[in-house]
Amino acid sequence: ETGVTQTPRHLVMGMTNKKSLKCEQHLGHNAMYWYKQSAKKPLELMFVYSLEERVENNSVPSRFSPECPNSSHLFLHLHTLQPEDSALYLCASSHQGGLPDTQYFGPGTRLTVL
Amino acid sequence: DAKTTQPNSMESNEEEPVHLPCNHSTISGTDYIHWYRQLPSQGPEYVIHGLTSNVNNRMASLAIAEDRKSSTLILHRATLRDAAVYYCILGNYGGSQGNLIFGKGTKLSVKP
Repeated sequence: ETGVTQTPRHLVMGMTNKKSLKCEQHLGHNAMYWYKQSAKKPLELMFVYSLEERVENNSVPSRFSPECPNSSHLFLHLHTLQPEDSALYLCASSHQGGLPDTQYFGPGTRLTVL
Repeated sequence: DAKTTQPNSMESNEEEPVHLPCNHSTISGTDYIHWYRQLPSQGPEYVIHGLTSNVNNRMASLAIAEDRKSSTLILHRATLRDAAVYYCILGNYGGSQGNLIFGKGTKLSVKP
């Protein structure tokens, strides 16, 4: 149990669907992250939120839309995805302000786009 | 961004020590050395970190070269549950937040 939960664990969607991934952290952290892990590729940082403000967007296509309503919850809204978006989507949290900033990861959502 | 170089894969026998190397020749003074691992079908988990001195915790030890251009993660007695991909990452805290940049890591196999 890492204190970071993600739902759903698996998701299959068509290219015209709209779905959302949810992440919740129970660690009292003030920063949250979305990563993408494609097959045989390193983890790619997508978005960073600090104190509910987006502080980084790593050139992610607009079909991925993050939302951070409070410091414990993070969403990734998906619409009109492509098959190449199929991947493991990982959420992480950290307590920014400390050195170093250890990140705690959730188990991920395995997304398949048909 | 400072980068790391790790072997693609390593093998170990159960209950033997494992030394996982990492080269980071372009490390800067503000870079911490982190190790994370990712077990099959799970998200990465923190293992250990260090700046200049060697570090020990319940999971592993981290040996850092004097010039900081390389480091070694040491698992003292490998178990089958230690089979995972191990990532050596430099975390730069010179900015407002420390973003971790993952490489391909070292896939560790543990044989019974």
